[in-house]
Amino acid sequence: GDSVTQMEGPVTLSEEAFLTINCTYTATGYPSLFWYVQYPGEGLQLLLKATKADDKGSNKGFEATYRKETTSFHLEKGSVQVSDSAVYFCALYTQGGSEKLVFGKGTKLTVNP
Amino acid sequence: GAVVSQHPSWVICKSGTSVKIECRSLDFQATTMFWYRQFPKQSLMLMATSNEGSKATYEQGVEKDKFLINHASLTLSTLTVTSAHPEDSSFYICSARDQVAGGEQFFGPGTRLTVL
Repeated sequence: GDSVTQMEGPVTLSEEAFLTINCTYTATGYPSLFWYVQYPGEGLQLLLKATKADDKGSNKGFEATYRKETTSFHLEKGSVQVSDSAVYFCALYTQGGSEKLVFGKGTKLTVNP
Repeated sequence: GAVVSQHPSWVICKSGTSVKIECRSLDFQATTMFWYRQFPKQSLMLMATSNEGSKATYEQGVEKDKFLINHASLTLSTLTVTSAHPEDSSFYICSARDQVAGGEQFFGPGTRLTVL
């Protein structure tokens, strides 16, 4: 079945450091890919998405490119801020397949001033 | 963006009692809502898909008689944990699909259930 594997956390960075959170997937068909963010005490928010190969999703300085050849959707940000501290989830959705969001385990990011 | 609320945000109950959790889409209609369970340091596990006006579809391994789901209107779905036990303690999150917004799912803030 469909699955998402993302790097284990926690990740601790200093402010203005470069961030990469790796995400790879296994899916039948052609999934849409997502990154969600969960701030402490809150629900999940969609951070960015890409619906086809080579698409780049971007939002709030975060970027991720849909790489079909490597089945990856790594999240990057050039300069993190303390306010980026949260748990990040990679997810996929296959229309016509399971029609469900499948999540990775989440990666907790802490950014220190 | 669209807003989904959950009530209560946290609840503590005694073993053997039932607990109802509400999920509301505040500014859109949702024919489909989803219920997830999140264990500490783990991902979200889909429990069931709730469709307005029809029976919920449960994932394999989820007891439908224990986790009762009702989706009586286009803005409200409820999850009732019946005869709760300590192992039911968890973080429960709902989401609602906004068909107008291309089918994007919007998530509620979650409900922390602790069964003593």
